[in-house]
Amino acid sequence: QQPVQSPQAVILREGEDAVINCSSSKALYSVHWYRQKHGEAPVFLMILLKGGEQKGHEKISASFNEKKQQSSLYLTASQLSYSGTYFCGTDTFGNEKLTFGTGTRLTIIP
Amino acid sequence: EAGVAQSPRYKIIEKRQSVAFWCNPISGHATLYWYQQILGQGPKLLIQFQNNGVVDDSQLPKDRFSAERLKGVDSTLKIQPAKLEDSAVYLCASSSGGRAKNIQYFGAGTRLSVL
Repeated sequence: QQPVQSPQAVILREGEDAVINCSSSKALYSVHWYRQKHGEAPVFLMILLKGGEQKGHEKISASFNEKKQQSSLYLTASQLSYSGTYFCGTDTFGNEKLTFGTGTRLTIIP
Repeated sequence: EAGVAQSPRYKIIEKRQSVAFWCNPISGHATLYWYQQILGQGPKLLIQFQNNGVVDDSQLPKDRFSAERLKGVDSTLKIQPAKLEDSAVYLCASSSGGRAKNIQYFGAGTRLSVL
């Protein structure tokens, strides 16, 4: 089943902060976050694994609540380049098979 | 390091025609994925290869879609015959494979329009 992301869309002024949430109805092995700009490939941001291990870009932070089957992506001091659609991908069995969420469209204005 | 290469970037066909997409993964990546991304939605996995073997094709509409990965490197995805609802971006991704914390790297995709 597809994970649910919230909010669906958000508009920020440059320098503001945002939180994007991803919620699953199934127990998760890992959560993967990607950003996709219009007409471009999704770009990897972060992996969060069961047990607390994380791997990703230095300027990106995220959390993974295994008990609640939720993950949140934190974008601080947003820049114009942060604009795009953010997707979480969930891996239930640790077999690298990702189910992607509904997406969150982030728009940063000057 | 070269990324995942896909071609063509765009394709317009009429319904009931056939079409093929090509993907060249990052060198050395054992796992290759094909995703379908309909406008406004997240990517949906169609098929996952490990080397040249199929790991998961449970969401591939096998009556019209087929995919192969010869010699465990390049891959092709074919649709025959195409339907209007196949209009989407077809993304290829690859990872080094074998471990759940491997990053999937995506290509730019092929945008298919079925008229």
